[in-house]
Amino acid sequence: QVQLVESGGGLVKPGGSLRLSCAVSASTFSDYYMSWIRQAPGKGLEWVSYISYSGTTRYYADSVKGRFTISRDNAKKSLYLQMNSLRGEDTAVYYCARMGPHYSSTWSFFDYWGQGTLVTVSS
Amino acid sequence: SYELTQPPSVSVSPGQTARITCSGDALPKQFAYWYQQKPGQAPVLVISRDTERPSGIPERFSGSSSGTTVTLTISRVEAEDEADYYCQSTDSIASYVLFGGGTKLTVL
Repeated sequence: QVQLVESGGGLVKPGGSLRLSCAVSASTFSDYYMSWIRQAPGKGLEWVSYISYSGTTRYYADSVKGRFTISRDNAKKSLYLQMNSLRGEDTAVYYCARMGPHYSSTWSFFDYWGQGTLVTVSS
Repeated sequence: SYELTQPPSVSVSPGQTARITCSGDALPKQFAYWYQQKPGQAPVLVISRDTERPSGIPERFSGSSSGTTVTLTISRVEAEDEADYYCQSTDSIASYVLFGGGTKLTVL
């Protein structure tokens, strides 16, 4: 069974920074694309970013481009999200999610999710 | 910009069939996926690649696709099916992942 555990959320002031981590319990972590998805209070799901299995390809939603950076450490089976210049509208539960494997023709979906970590941006 | 459009809410009685639609211009060329989210929980993938049901998902859940619209169908609806449902797809080169706005399914 694949488990994803996020950490690093909390209260931060506007303009501040935060780094989220996601620990994945799966021996094949390095085969899979990974993603961050967020959900503002009472709102729908919003994709934030994804990273390829090797870390060489990264894409971002327009709302976070230039402020957030996704990365991964395959040796540590971990995914990260560095969030800078945080704004009130970044307040949300941030989910780490596994996408499909690189050897599949279709991998742009999310089959395992963590329980999420809450980020609150407020003065 | 590319969007996925879902109805905000759908209501059905227990035992009836619920149908939730998702419309988007790229759906004829890109697969759609469906997620179920119950309050306070992470989403769960219930339909993959338009019509495939992942392991562990009840047979009551099915998906279909026609042109620019995909449909999640839940047969013989049960009280436990009450949740928010989201469709998801990508742009043509998978540089952007998109979710629909979500549909709240109410079991009357």
